[in-house]
Amino acid sequence: EVQLVQSGAEVKKSGQALTISCKASGYSFTKYWIGWVRQLPGKGLEWMGIIYPGDFDTRYGPSFQGQVTISADTSSSTAYLQWSSLQASDTATYYCTRYWGGPWMAGDCYSDHWGQGTQVTVSS
Amino acid sequence: DIQMTQSPSSLSASVGDRVTITCRASQSIRSYLNWYQQKPGKAPRVLIYGASNLQSGVPSRFSGSGSGTDFTLTISSLQREDFATYYCQQTYSYPPYTFGQGTKLEIK
Repeated sequence: EVQLVQSGAEVKKSGQALTISCKASGYSFTKYWIGWVRQLPGKGLEWMGIIYPGDFDTRYGPSFQGQVTISADTSSSTAYLQWSSLQASDTATYYCTRYWGGPWMAGDCYSDHWGQGTQVTVSS
Repeated sequence: DIQMTQSPSSLSASVGDRVTITCRASQSIRSYLNWYQQKPGKAPRVLIYGASNLQSGVPSRFSGSGSGTDFTLTISSLQREDFATYYCQQTYSYPPYTFGQGTKLEIK
């Protein structure tokens, strides 16, 4: 059974660094793209970026390029989302998601599994 | 970026109604269009991928159609558990794999 288990809720202050995680199990971690989606309070879904753990190819949405870092550790089958300096506007729920298909792969591409979400609260 | 526009933004309907939600892309995305359902406090789940393919385990009352720039999600007979927010997403061009703004389906 495919599972994505995210780290717990975080409460931080503006300017602090943060890394949240998404541990994958039940499939070959290096053979599927995995990415992150932001949901601001009461708002819709925003695509942040995606990484292919097989070669660490990483793509970011324009709004998130330079604002966050996406990485992966194949030894622990874990994906990470990192901020070097949080802002209050980063307060949101963050979801990791595995993709069926993806960049440079032929055929359909969609998020077929999701983590439970990590709530990040940043106070100023 | 490709922009995705859903309509309506919200919709009230009754159990048993037939409901259609529309998604329009700012340029052709062929059939690279997915539909997700999200309930409050939960992660989204995929309903339809590739514009018209029903994900395994999703009830057959959900269907999708369209290609190019115009797509629809149809629920043939609303059930109580279908009241949720629905999002379309294009995966034709990246980054980003853009989502629509969402359609909130509420009980009338």
